[in-house]
Amino acid sequence: SAVISQKPSRDICQRGTSLTIQCQVDSQVTMMFWYRQQPGQSLTLIATANQGSEATYESGFVIDKFPISRPNLTFSTLTVSNMSPEDSSIYLCSVERDRGAYNEQFFGPGTRLTVL
Amino acid sequence: KQEVTQIPAALSVPEGENLVLNCSFTDSAIYNLQWFRQDPGKGLTSLLLIQSSQREQTSGRLNASLDKSSGRSTLYIAASQPGDSATYLCAVRGGSNYKLTFGKGTLLTVNP
Repeated sequence: SAVISQKPSRDICQRGTSLTIQCQVDSQVTMMFWYRQQPGQSLTLIATANQGSEATYESGFVIDKFPISRPNLTFSTLTVSNMSPEDSSIYLCSVERDRGAYNEQFFGPGTRLTVL
Repeated sequence: KQEVTQIPAALSVPEGENLVLNCSFTDSAIYNLQWFRQDPGKGLTSLLLIQSSQREQTSGRLNASLDKSSGRSTLYIAASQPGDSATYLCAVRGGSNYKLTFGKGTLLTVNP
């Protein structure tokens, strides 16, 4: 498995501000993923972060709103910019482990964000 | 576009019962299917992964099956316990981008 930690675990923020979420993995990984889980909904992939290159964003997500950094193979940050109440969600960091014949996905504990 | 559906959305059972959670997906061209558990306000814990060539996987009281041709998977939980109470998510990996597509989950409550 993979040990993934996220900071902060939760936060309450004011509209118009920004929050940076940190993700740390216990071993080097090629790709790190950021997901959003809105209340009552399933997980939606925001972007894939590779070390040394710009993140790849999914349809509906843009770099200006969700800038991502990936300075090394064990760490990434996701910033939620100019927040509105609609950004209230759980944000999850995820990595894949190569099992040879397949990849298995693991998730961090999540960051619960509430925007007032 | 892959769509994953989980039925029922919520399930409440008395302790000790055996139960089945269902997952269906629209595109059978998958690489694997993964079942996760999510406790309230928390991240996801991987429970079982079934490769597309496999029919089932077992871990303790959990057994997951896969029928790729019909686009279905089930998660069987034997002798349920209150500690099993959580949301169970099904996710399939497939498509040209090899990404995971998640269902909305089944909220399981096991009553003592």
